[in-house]
Amino acid sequence: GAGVSQTPSNKVTEKGKYVELRCDPISGHTALYWYRQSLGQGPEFLIYFQGTGAADDSGLPNDRFFAVRPEGSVSTLKIQRTERGDSAVYLCASSSQGGIQYFGAGTRLSVL
Amino acid sequence: TQLLEQSPQFLSIQEGENLTVYCNSSSVFSSLQWYRQEPGEGPVLLVTVVTGGEVKKLKRLTFQFGDARKDSSLHITAAQPGDTGLYLCAGRRYNTDKLIFGTGTRLQVFP
Repeated sequence: GAGVSQTPSNKVTEKGKYVELRCDPISGHTALYWYRQSLGQGPEFLIYFQGTGAADDSGLPNDRFFAVRPEGSVSTLKIQRTERGDSAVYLCASSSQGGIQYFGAGTRLSVL
Repeated sequence: TQLLEQSPQFLSIQEGENLTVYCNSSSVFSSLQWYRQEPGEGPVLLVTVVTGGEVKKLKRLTFQFGDARKDSSLHITAAQPGDTGLYLCAGRRYNTDKLIFGTGTRLQVFP
């Protein structure tokens, strides 16, 4: 597709479960970003990749969160032992190096 | 900790009115961007300002970057119902590509 694609669009899980959120960036974009947006707030940075490597993971809240981008394209954000406080919209963006970030529609995660 | 504070948080106005949204920080940014976000969608870039004191116009929207590169404003002239949405400023620090988003301003324009 032409834009950033995120799947699933909605994910409902139970406290303590493991979840994976997927991001397909715009073809050719070398940089990929993950942000988290709580209700009524602006997005907060989690991690970004330049190619396959994490250039900055300073926004990951704790070691239950990690993300991979093994081939420099698709990325997966993984959350272990989910907590109710993890409920939020997880946004992915991609860009050419130093360029405009284009955002996907997000995955709404609800932890019951 | 939110480094970029936006005001007001909420704004509800009638069609045809003018409004200004402010984005303030104690930090210096290499550039500042404004996004608009609608429910169920990701933020969409409106403008990027990169020079202190810069003013950019996009139809009825006027964006200004502060001289010290710490603050910005968005002014909308003659607001229309289609302007309704969440407005977000986002700053980029030097030597990094990550964005620091503001707290957001939710605008509702009634016909």
